[in-house]
Amino acid sequence: AQTVTQSQPEMSVQEAETVTLSCTYDTSENNYYLFWYKQPPSRQMILVIRQEAYKQQNATENRFSVNFQKAAKSFSLKISDSQLGDTAMYFCAFMKHESSGAGSYQLTFGKGTKLSVIP
Amino acid sequence: DGGITQSPKYLFRKEGQNVTLSCEQNLNHDAMYWYRQDPGQGLRLIYYSQIVNDFQKGDIAEGYSVSREKKESFPLTVTSAQKNPTAFYLCASRRDITGANVLTFGAGSRLTVL
Repeated sequence: AQTVTQSQPEMSVQEAETVTLSCTYDTSENNYYLFWYKQPPSRQMILVIRQEAYKQQNATENRFSVNFQKAAKSFSLKISDSQLGDTAMYFCAFMKHESSGAGSYQLTFGKGTKLSVIP
Repeated sequence: DGGITQSPKYLFRKEGQNVTLSCEQNLNHDAMYWYRQDPGQGLRLIYYSQIVNDFQKGDIAEGYSVSREKKESFPLTVTSAQKNPTAFYLCASRRDITGANVLTFGAGSRLTVL
């Protein structure tokens, strides 16, 4: 079974500054996907960024980027130029790759980090 | 616009009653999922379905039941056997093509047992 650990229950950052959220995971799989989801006060889960484990290049999406360290099983999220709208719970999640194509592709989530952006 | 619709948004239930949460998607996605979220916890998988008329238990299926009679619909019934049903419930779907392994979520349903 896979586990996902987010060691920072809460964080805060000044508007326009940069913040990094940590995530580690435990798996014996070699092929998998990693995700960061954002849950604002509306509670809608929104995909922030996605990384395939076989890709060495770190994924980026505008102000969001990841630092993927496969050997260390670490997947941190960096938010640059923080904005008030970034205030949310952030969840790191793991998905096993199913080579047969018939697997569940279910997500295993960490417990989340509550990020507050301060004006 | 395509998306996932969950209803009702808020639901109150008396102890001993069954309640059904609706989840409908118009994304033409094959797989659908139900997750439960509790304060201070991540999301935990209740049930999932890869195709119509087939579904599998997740990590916390006890006290819940589902059906998948149509591709678009995946309702969740919270039965009286669920010991602590007060929670936030999220439905998600996934398109079953290689590489597109992203789950899209609905807005959620908040269930409170009185």
